[in-house]
Amino acid sequence: NAGVTQTPKFQVLKTGQSMTLQCAQDMNHEYMSWYRQDPGMGLRLIHYSVGAGITDQGEVPNGYNVSRSTTEDFPLRLLSAAPSQTSVYFCASNPGQGARANYGYTFGSGTRLTVV
Amino acid sequence: AQKVTQAQTEISVVEKEDVTLDCVYETRDTTYYLFWYKQPPSGELVFLIRRNSFDEQNEISGRYSWNFQKSTSSFNFTITASQVVDSAVYFCALSEASNTGKLIFGQGTTLQVKP
Repeated sequence: NAGVTQTPKFQVLKTGQSMTLQCAQDMNHEYMSWYRQDPGMGLRLIHYSVGAGITDQGEVPNGYNVSRSTTEDFPLRLLSAAPSQTSVYFCASNPGQGARANYGYTFGSGTRLTVV
Repeated sequence: AQKVTQAQTEISVVEKEDVTLDCVYETRDTTYYLFWYKQPPSGELVFLIRRNSFDEQNEISGRYSWNFQKSTSSFNFTITASQVVDSAVYFCALSEASNTGKLIFGQGTTLQVKP
């Protein structure tokens, strides 16, 4: 049982390049979400999904796309990387609504992205 | 709207001192969940506790204790007899029952415990 797996762990991009950060969970969790962590700002929600085929914007969605074609996977796409997107990105999952939501959120180990 | 405020940016204590990390939250939901996470220097997020809004009983786990007060919208975290290994960034977070897909974090408090 791997939990939440994020790849890659580190990435350097040039301005204007695109890439996809991968996130997969094997816990059959209904909900998944992406956060970015910047110094002094905590973790801010980028996008989240409450089930396959359903996504919604969080606090800082600009410059990012997501899709949820399966329960297991929730990739985050940077369309045209900018230096302001230099950050640490975390993916999380949780079981979903109802009593199972009490189980809490499981986080991946993070992806450190640098845009030069 | 949801909001979590951790007013203490950095705290420095000497080992064996007690330390309290403050967390104040805002929400319009009557049912919600509060969390504390620890982020050690290695960078991973470690789950510490979840508290439901309908359960105001305080909790103690070893040297850790949590004080939940709905009247003041606070969920404070106390470490008793701090140790160097407690040095980390601590985050308080809020999730509303109406949409548990969203977890809103505070800015975090960096705790440094000196030997």
